[in-house]
Amino acid sequence: GAGVSQSPSNKVTEKGKDVELRCDPISGHTALYWYRQSLGQGLEFLIYFQGNSAPDKSGLPSDRFSAERTGGSVSTLTIQRTQQEDSAVYLCASSWTVGSNQPQHFGDGTRLSIL
Amino acid sequence: ILNVEQSPQSLHVQEGDSTNFTCSFPSSNFYALHWYRWETAKSPEALFVMTLNGDEKKKGRISATLNTKEGYSYLYIKGSQPEDSATYLCAPDSGAGSYQLTFGKGTKLSVIP
Repeated sequence: GAGVSQSPSNKVTEKGKDVELRCDPISGHTALYWYRQSLGQGLEFLIYFQGNSAPDKSGLPSDRFSAERTGGSVSTLTIQRTQQEDSAVYLCASSWTVGSNQPQHFGDGTRLSIL
Repeated sequence: ILNVEQSPQSLHVQEGDSTNFTCSFPSSNFYALHWYRWETAKSPEALFVMTLNGDEKKKGRISATLNTKEGYSYLYIKGSQPEDSATYLCAPDSGAGSYQLTFGKGTKLSVIP
């Protein structure tokens, strides 16, 4: 497709389970970003990739969160042993390359609910 | 983490009215400012990326100005239409290789027909 694709669109799971969120960026975009929006909060930066490399992982909330990107395309965000505070909308975005002047193109997000 | 303030948090305007809102951010270590529009049930859409002090950008009825010395940006909508109803987000990039956008909580605009 032409835009950033995220799956699943909704995920409901029990506390303690692992979840995997997927992002398929716009073809040709080398930069990929993950954000989340918790209820009542602004968009929170989690991690970005330039190609397959993630130079800065400091935005990940805890060591239960990890992300990878293979083949310079699809990325997965994995949350292990989910907690209720992980409930949020997780958004992925991509841009041609990293750079302060690069507009980011967002997907529709994954709404994650932890019971 | 940058302190980004957007005001007002929400506003309601009548169709045809013009409106504006503000984004405030630290003026030090400025590299760029992004504006996005986020309509309900859709994904955020990039409006503008601004980098130079005094920059003014326009897209249809929407325009934005930037003051990097005092750390603020204004977004203007001329002749608001119901389809302009959305949350408008600003996000400065402090650069220094971080490429990390810090988003404000947004201004939620509702245009009443």
